[in-house]
Amino acid sequence: KAGVTQTPRYLIKTRGQQVTLSCSPISGHRSVSWYQQTPGQGLQFLFEYFSETQRNKGNFPGRFSGRQFSNSRSEMNVSTLELGDSALYLCASNRGGANEAQYFGPGTRLLVL
Amino acid sequence: QQQVKQSPQSLIVQKGGISIINCAYENTAFDYFPWYQQFPGKGPALLIAIRPDVSEKKEGRFTISFNKSAKQFSLHIMDSQPGDSATYFCAASKAGSNYQLIWGAGTKLIIKP
Repeated sequence: KAGVTQTPRYLIKTRGQQVTLSCSPISGHRSVSWYQQTPGQGLQFLFEYFSETQRNKGNFPGRFSGRQFSNSRSEMNVSTLELGDSALYLCASNRGGANEAQYFGPGTRLLVL
Repeated sequence: QQQVKQSPQSLIVQKGGISIINCAYENTAFDYFPWYQQFPGKGPALLIAIRPDVSEKKEGRFTISFNKSAKQFSLHIMDSQPGDSATYFCAASKAGSNYQLIWGAGTKLIIKP
């Protein structure tokens, strides 16, 4: 099976712009979670989608949003970018059951100038 | 109550030695404790995971030890190899809710040949 794929891998934006990141889960996986990874804050949970519904959300401002499509692919959007949004954004998938292992993609590295 | 504290921040071990990374948690609702390995430019990959009903789990050279009363768990890497050089993260999640992993800060492990 192909692993989790994320596009684009690298992105440079300027403050105030918005960005959309994409994640394709492993075939058969219906749950997609998003994480932000920074040197200062480490890995932080953004949100999780299952069957096109957001099941859980972390402590991030409303500028961070996401959605999931019927084929389980997911996108996350960040509006009005700030310098502090520069990070590695990771997507993980699993089948969605309780305490299942999460499988991560390689991430999208976002740089905000 | 949500934190997972990981130590040390960095670790240098000679080839063939034992690498030990420790984590402590506060929230007694956590019942799933995975360890992830991350190489530069890659997303985290699940290494091994444990639940509180067992005190130890071994997979090859990797062992998790779990102390429920002390609310601590640790990763032991036996016969450490240069290829084990990576950043290791412990994490925890609440019962029935693995999609919101709470992460430790990470340990950068270097195995010297």
